[in-house]
Amino acid sequence: GDSVTQMEGPVTLSEEAFLTINCTYTATGYPSLFWYVQYPGEGLQLLLKATKADDKGSNKGFEATYRKETTSFHLEKGSVQVSDSAVYFCALRDDKIIFGKGTRLHILP
Amino acid sequence: EAGVAQSPRYKIIEKRQSVAFWCNPISGHATLYWYQQILGQGPKLLIQFQNNGVVDDSQLPKDRFSAERLKGVDSTLKIQPAKLEDSAVYLCASSGGTSGGYNEQFFGPGTRLTVL
Repeated sequence: GDSVTQMEGPVTLSEEAFLTINCTYTATGYPSLFWYVQYPGEGLQLLLKATKADDKGSNKGFEATYRKETTSFHLEKGSVQVSDSAVYFCALRDDKIIFGKGTRLHILP
Repeated sequence: EAGVAQSPRYKIIEKRQSVAFWCNPISGHATLYWYQQILGQGPKLLIQFQNNGVVDDSQLPKDRFSAERLKGVDSTLKIQPAKLEDSAVYLCASSGGTSGGYNEQFFGPGTRLTVL
């Protein structure tokens, strides 16, 4: 069946560092891909999405490109802030949404 | 615009007891979802409603879990009887429009269930 694999955390970075959180997927169809974020004490929020190959989703300085050839959707940000500390979930949607296990990100001031 | 509301926020019960969770989706959203998120895992879809009809309940453990969405608005999820492995956060989400094409899901804050 469909699945999502993302890098395990926690990931700890200093403020202004470059961030990459890896995500790969397996799917029988042509899924849409998403990154969700869960800030401390809050519900899940959609961060960005891409619906077809080579699409780039972006929001709040984060970017991810739908790479069909490598079945990947890695999340990147050029300069992280303390306020980016959260849990990030990669997900795909074919007939239903399937989430990865989440990656906890800590940003140190 | 009010978000997805859930109650209670926390619940502690003993195994074999029953528990119910309530969800009020965003006004006008036709689709409602219940997810189970076990610690260290991503959310797993339990059931999806379109208005008051069930679209997908393939991952709902029907021997102990039940859900309903009367009148196509609020929904309740019940566990009877609870097991230790049911300890998790139960998330409710809603989205607008039809099931064809993607409509962003908006998540509630969740109910954290601890089964002792």
